[in-house]
Amino acid sequence: KQEVTQIPAALSVPEGENLVLNCSFTDSAIYNLQWFRQDPGKGLTSLLLIQSSQREQTSGRLNASLDKSSGRSTLYIAASQPGDSATYLCAQKGTGTALIFGKGTTLSVSS
Amino acid sequence: EAEVAQSPRYKITEKSQAVAFWCDPISGHATLYWYRQILGQGPELLVQFQDESVVDDSQLPKDRFSAERLKGVDSTLKIQPAELGDSAMYLCASSLWGRPETQYFGPGTRLLVL
Repeated sequence: KQEVTQIPAALSVPEGENLVLNCSFTDSAIYNLQWFRQDPGKGLTSLLLIQSSQREQTSGRLNASLDKSSGRSTLYIAASQPGDSATYLCAQKGTGTALIFGKGTTLSVSS
Repeated sequence: EAEVAQSPRYKITEKSQAVAFWCDPISGHATLYWYRQILGQGPELLVQFQDESVVDDSQLPKDRFSAERLKGVDSTLKIQPAELGDSAMYLCASSLWGRPETQYFGPGTRLLVL
């Protein structure tokens, strides 16, 4: 069974810190991996999509990496801001069409 | 910017009652997904439509859940009868045909079963 695990489950940091969120997956036949943001009580917003042939993707202060051999992905957030407070979910797409999600990491950035 | 619409946003119902959720995907998106997200968990796929056809409903509890997309546009997810364990966020997403990696999510319907 495909599984996605995210560590830590929750993280609190002061504004300005750089931080790393971790995601591990079991399906070696991964097609791509995505990072989403979810604000409380809201839907999901896609942040970064990494294809299996890629090693990383960057968007502004966000950088996501993918290491298929170790089954890991990381989301790096530079110079965190209070507006970054949200739950971050990673999801893998394997050979099927369904996305398999982790449970998420809830980030709180204090000013 | 086009968005996925869902209604209602919140629903409170009693156990054994019937509930229905509606989703209107982004225009032109042939693929529609219903996910269930239990509090503290990641979303799990319930059903996937390609136009009006179901292509994956392997995780849909078919004894009480049903989903339809009659004209291949908007979709309805129904639960009858609702159980306490159905309390969750129900998310709808859509994507262009052949582009499952780019799913756009709606705001969700939060269901509370009492």
